[in-house]
Amino acid sequence: EAGVAQSPRYKIIEKRQSVAFWCNPISGHATLYWYQQILGQGPKLLIQFQNNGVVDDSQLPKDRFSAERLKGVDSTLKIQPAKLEDSAVYLCASSPLRESYNSPLHFGNGTRLTVT
Amino acid sequence: GNSVTQMEGPVTLSEEAFLTINCTYTATGYPSLFWYVQYPGEGLQLLLKATKADDKGSNKGFEATYRKETTSFHLEKGSVQVSDSAVYFCALSDSGSARQLTFGSGTQLTVLP
Repeated sequence: EAGVAQSPRYKIIEKRQSVAFWCNPISGHATLYWYQQILGQGPKLLIQFQNNGVVDDSQLPKDRFSAERLKGVDSTLKIQPAKLEDSAVYLCASSPLRESYNSPLHFGNGTRLTVT
Repeated sequence: GNSVTQMEGPVTLSEEAFLTINCTYTATGYPSLFWYVQYPGEGLQLLLKATKADDKGSNKGFEATYRKETTSFHLEKGSVQVSDSAVYFCALSDSGSARQLTFGSGTQLTVLP
């Protein structure tokens, strides 16, 4: 099966600019996650969708970050305006709805964002 | 809240050496435990998992045993190869957390020929 697709692979922007990342999960996967991975740290959950509804966005900085998952398939994560501390790899992951909590997530290769 | 603590890296070993990467956790309930691996330029991949106390997960020569009494899930391999060079992440999924993963900070492993 095709894996989780993310684009772009790399992005460099100046602070205060806006940026958007795109994710296409594995076909049929109902649950989609966005994680932020700062250099030298483990991934941190930003938002979790189930179909097109938000399950958890408690760690999403809502003053500058937004995410949507139209039609319960693809998802877009946006940052506006970007800050220097947003430099990180943004990972998208997906999982089927019916699997239990001890099943693994499937990750994309990520988008590396550099804010200058 | 949930947390995962990994031994700090980087770790550099010679080929065929024994590997241990320590991982301890704090969680409510009865979490499942995972090791993920991230090869250069690639996304995170599941390496192995254990879902209850005393379970042993294994894959590609790597092993880890779920120790509830010490809240640990140490990763081991008897003989590492150059191709094992990667970043290794310990993670947990709490049964009450809607399948969210909490990750450790990662351990960079470099294996020299």
